[in-house]
Amino acid sequence: AQSVTQLGSHVSVSEGALVLLRCNYSSSVPPYLFWYVQYPNQGLQLLLKYTSAATLVKGINGFEAEFKKSETSFHLTKPSAHMSDAAEYFCAVSERGNLIFGKGTKLSVKP
Amino acid sequence: NAGVTQTPKFRVLKTGQSMTLLCAQDMNHEYMYWYRQDPGMGLRLIHYSVGEGTTAKGEVPDGYNVSRLKKQNFLLGLESAAPSQTSVYFCASSSAWGEGDTQYFGPGTRLTVL
Repeated sequence: AQSVTQLGSHVSVSEGALVLLRCNYSSSVPPYLFWYVQYPNQGLQLLLKYTSAATLVKGINGFEAEFKKSETSFHLTKPSAHMSDAAEYFCAVSERGNLIFGKGTKLSVKP
Repeated sequence: NAGVTQTPKFRVLKTGQSMTLLCAQDMNHEYMYWYRQDPGMGLRLIHYSVGEGTTAKGEVPDGYNVSRLKKQNFLLGLESAAPSQTSVYFCASSSAWGEGDTQYFGPGTRLTVL
């Protein structure tokens, strides 16, 4: 069975600083990977997904993620954090059509 | 185009009571899913449906039943609620059941079982 590990349940950055949210996966086959964002009291919204077309994936709101097979990682980054980025972020891997989610990382942005 | 909607938004039940959560989607998606979200646990799949009239168990199906009588609706039932079912429930849908297909989520139902 595939799995996803998100390192750090809470990450705090200052406004304008780099955002780095870590995700490692385990999969015996080439994975399909997703990042979702959940704003307070809302559902999940797709940020970006990797489907083997390109290793650097650009998403919405200035986020991007790089697939590194050698490191089994799919870390999410944004060069400059904005207050509106404060949310919970979930990494997920697709397994037989279903999504396996990590436990989430809550991002706080300090003014 | 409302996307995925869920009814109700909030509900408080007493132990042993029953209830049904309704999920509706207007995107003509074939596939629908029910998840529960608990603090520090991420989202876990309860049941899913690959088409009208078909359902299957996910990771945590015990204590829940589902039905997909119409393509646009997916119902989640709790026959005898327990405090362990206190959670936020999310419904999702997708147009296909492939490895790279995007799931679209509803706003969630916050359920408390006393």
